[in-house]
Amino acid sequence: EIQLQESGPGLVKPSQSLSLTCSVTGYTITSGYDWSWIRKFPGNKMEWMGYISYSGSTNYNPSLKSRISITRDTSKNQFFLQLNSVTTEDTATYYCARLTTPYYFDYWGQGVMVTVSS
Amino acid sequence: DTVLTQSPALAVSPGERVTISCRASESVSTLMHWYQQKPGQQPTLLIYLASNLESGVPARFSGSGSGTDFTLTIDPVEADDTATYYCQQSWNDPPTFGGGTKLELK
Repeated sequence: EIQLQESGPGLVKPSQSLSLTCSVTGYTITSGYDWSWIRKFPGNKMEWMGYISYSGSTNYNPSLKSRISITRDTSKNQFFLQLNSVTTEDTATYYCARLTTPYYFDYWGQGVMVTVSS
Repeated sequence: DTVLTQSPALAVSPGERVTISCRASESVSTLMHWYQQKPGQQPTLLIYLASNLESGVPARFSGSGSGTDFTLTIDPVEADDTATYYCQQSWNDPPTFGGGTKLELK
């Protein structure tokens, strides 16, 4: 069974970087598919942030392009989110998910709530 | 970006039929997908490509539509269906989500 699990700090200070890890079990992330980050803001708005493909290429939401980086560690079957220069508007629940063709999300992690506050 | 508009909330009685709508600001062909999110849980895929039922999802759920207007139907509704339902399009880049429809049972 494919499972995804997010981890990382639940509190980040404004202007700092937000860093999260998604650990994948039951499937090797280099075997196929794209591996995404999505966030859900208070009030329920959801935003696709970007993905890293099975080959290592990346694609980001243009709204975040200057601040976001998605990388991976294939030896640990993990991929990572880094979001720079965060503000209180980045407070959200962050999910990792598998993105299948044509671009829908068939497996999701449980989500991790991140609050940006001083 | 493609904006997806959903009604904020619906209230129905168990056993009834409910339709949840999603309207796109531009055509998305049939690349529309539906998710269910229960409180405290992650979203789960219900319907992909407008009308295809994800494996393991009860046949009470169905989807239809193309272009700009889409519908998720639950018939009959059960108490366990209390959740927020989201549409998501993948025809236009970037993928976008609707604001969610909260379904409550009377």
